[in-house]
Amino acid sequence: DVKVTQSSRYLVKRTGEKVFLECVQDMDHENMFWYRQDPGLGLRLIYFSYDVKMKEKGDIPEGYSVSREKKERFSLILESASTNQTSMYLCASSLIRGADEKLFFGSGTQLSVL
Amino acid sequence: KNEVEQSPQNLTAQEGEFITINCSYSVGISALHWLQQHPGGGIVSLFMLSSGKKKHGRLIATINIQEKHSSLHITASHPRDSAVYICAVPGGGADGLTFGKGTHLIIQP
Repeated sequence: DVKVTQSSRYLVKRTGEKVFLECVQDMDHENMFWYRQDPGLGLRLIYFSYDVKMKEKGDIPEGYSVSREKKERFSLILESASTNQTSMYLCASSLIRGADEKLFFGSGTQLSVL
Repeated sequence: KNEVEQSPQNLTAQEGEFITINCSYSVGISALHWLQQHPGGGIVSLFMLSSGKKKHGRLIATINIQEKHSSLHITASHPRDSAVYICAVPGGGADGLTFGKGTHLIIQP
């Protein structure tokens, strides 16, 4: 089975801090995604990547950046955390690009910014 | 952008009941996803279907492409089925998927 691992389950940070969320997948998937999930809003795409060193903005990229230096690892960076970035962050991967591809999700990171 | 509506938003039922969760979308699609999210956050892909019906254990997913509608059924529901069920379709968002807001299901013993 594909495993998508997120480095932290819970994270508490202070406003203004730089925050790194790490995601690793072990099945050589090309595509990796970062979503945030908020009550009443569902899953929203922040950034995605379909290859090493490639990145594409999603629906809500403001305040975030990403890094994909290796195929298996996709990092989400909050340059200066703000309270409105308190959310559940979910990483996902899929084998190839396309909406018909099954998504595999990590367990999520609940980030609280105080 | 594809608009996705799920119903009901919340559902509480007794163990053993037959459960139906509905998903409607606005634009024709090639495939629809059903996902399950347990308390604690992790999301699991249950089904990806483009026509007809798929069955996995007590879970059954159906789709009617003409009516732009899909249902997820759970037979002989059990408390461990308590979760949020999310449908997702292509046609929106940068990666091609639009997610419903989810149906929060609670099965009481």
